[in-house]
Amino acid sequence: EPEVTQTPSHQVTQMGQEVILRCVPISNHLYFYWYRQILGQKVEFLVSFYNNEISEKSEIFDDQFSVERPDGSNFTLKIRSTKLEDSAMYFCASRRDNTGELFFGEGSRLTVL
Amino acid sequence: AQTVTQSQPEMSVQEAETVTLSCTYDTSESDYYLFWYKQPPSRQMILVIRQEAYKQQNATENRFSVNFQKAAKSFSLKISDSQLGDAAMYFCAYRYSGAGSYQLTFGKGTKLSVIP
Repeated sequence: EPEVTQTPSHQVTQMGQEVILRCVPISNHLYFYWYRQILGQKVEFLVSFYNNEISEKSEIFDDQFSVERPDGSNFTLKIRSTKLEDSAMYFCASRRDNTGELFFGEGSRLTVL
Repeated sequence: AQTVTQSQPEMSVQEAETVTLSCTYDTSESDYYLFWYKQPPSRQMILVIRQEAYKQQNATENRFSVNFQKAAKSFSLKISDSQLGDAAMYFCAYRYSGAGSYQLTFGKGTKLSVIP
């Protein structure tokens, strides 16, 4: 069964460092998302991406964040200068069309020291 | 803004018994979707069941069913004949069905334990 894959599963970084989280969505999907979950809190929407551009983003998704689909298969989330409060589990998700089921990856745990 | 509330941080159920997980939400919209997602330990979230707000009939997927009360803004999940594999974190989620809206709003989750 096709699935969304994410790497790395866990990354530890120093505050101020750049981090790139990678996702490979399901191959025929067209809509891509990043969500995050700070420990003990709700899963929160960060950004959605369609047709090579951001279609919607939350207040959390400030100038420190960016997304890219560099090669038609990977979908990346970059955090330019990490802060302690960026420590969270980051989930990638994709869907084939706007009404279809959303498929999630297993998540990438980011720890900022 | 939409909010989703799951008031039960943890629940437990005996194997083969029935359990109901609660979810309430707040929205001013009339057209939306509601979802229950399951997240087993160290695994990805998977969709358990989905309900369109315009449908009066409650959604059912095998042992999983919902009690959707639109006026009360309540969306509970019933798991019948609970199995050990049902142990997981369960998230209730909302999405506005209007054009251009993509984001899901999640509750904090309910951790379900299944006792053999």
